[in-house]
Amino acid sequence: DAGVIQSPRHEVTEMGQEVTLRCKPISGHNSLFWYRQTMMRGLELLIYFNNNVPIDDSGMPEDRFSAKMPNASFSTLKIQPSEPRDSAVYFCASSIRVGQAGELFFGEGSRLTVL
Amino acid sequence: GNSVTQMEGPVTLSEEAFLTINCTYTATGYPSLFWYVQYPGEGLQLLLKATKADDKGSNKGFEATYRKETTSFHLEKGSVQVSDSAVYFCALTPLGNRDDKIIFGKGTRLHILP
Repeated sequence: DAGVIQSPRHEVTEMGQEVTLRCKPISGHNSLFWYRQTMMRGLELLIYFNNNVPIDDSGMPEDRFSAKMPNASFSTLKIQPSEPRDSAVYFCASSIRVGQAGELFFGEGSRLTVL
Repeated sequence: GNSVTQMEGPVTLSEEAFLTINCTYTATGYPSLFWYVQYPGEGLQLLLKATKADDKGSNKGFEATYRKETTSFHLEKGSVQVSDSAVYFCALTPLGNRDDKIIFGKGTRLHILP
């Protein structure tokens, strides 16, 4: 079975450019999470969706960040305009239902470098 | 509120040494507890879990016991290998978790020397 699929795996861009990260969750999973990981701040939850609806976006750093989940098999995280401090590894994860002691399945991450 | 505290790394051990990574938690009621592992260049993956007090989770030679009295879930392995080098995250989901969030600790980096 395919796991969580993220693209691109690596992205290098210049400050001010728009960045779009993509995620395909595992089929049948109804929760989707976006995390950011840096050496300084560790693993941070940015936003999560349940049944395609955003439930909690309190971790989104600022208005430059936005996330969508138009259907059960696709989500995007967009940064516009990007800044050097956005450089990090962004992970997407999905689950059937974490609240029922479910398991989070992570993608391999998208490493973003903003110059 | 709910939180997870785990020992700071990095932890460096020689191959075949005994491993303990401490984890304590703060939560109301009886949360479910997890250890996730992140190998270099990969995402996190579930290593083991325990859903009630005194449960022992185990996988790949790793074990952790849910201790309600000490609010702890320490990770142990009797004989580590170089391939165990990774970052280990302790995590919890609160009882009756309505918002589906899993709360992670900051992670402990483990280096195993051959």
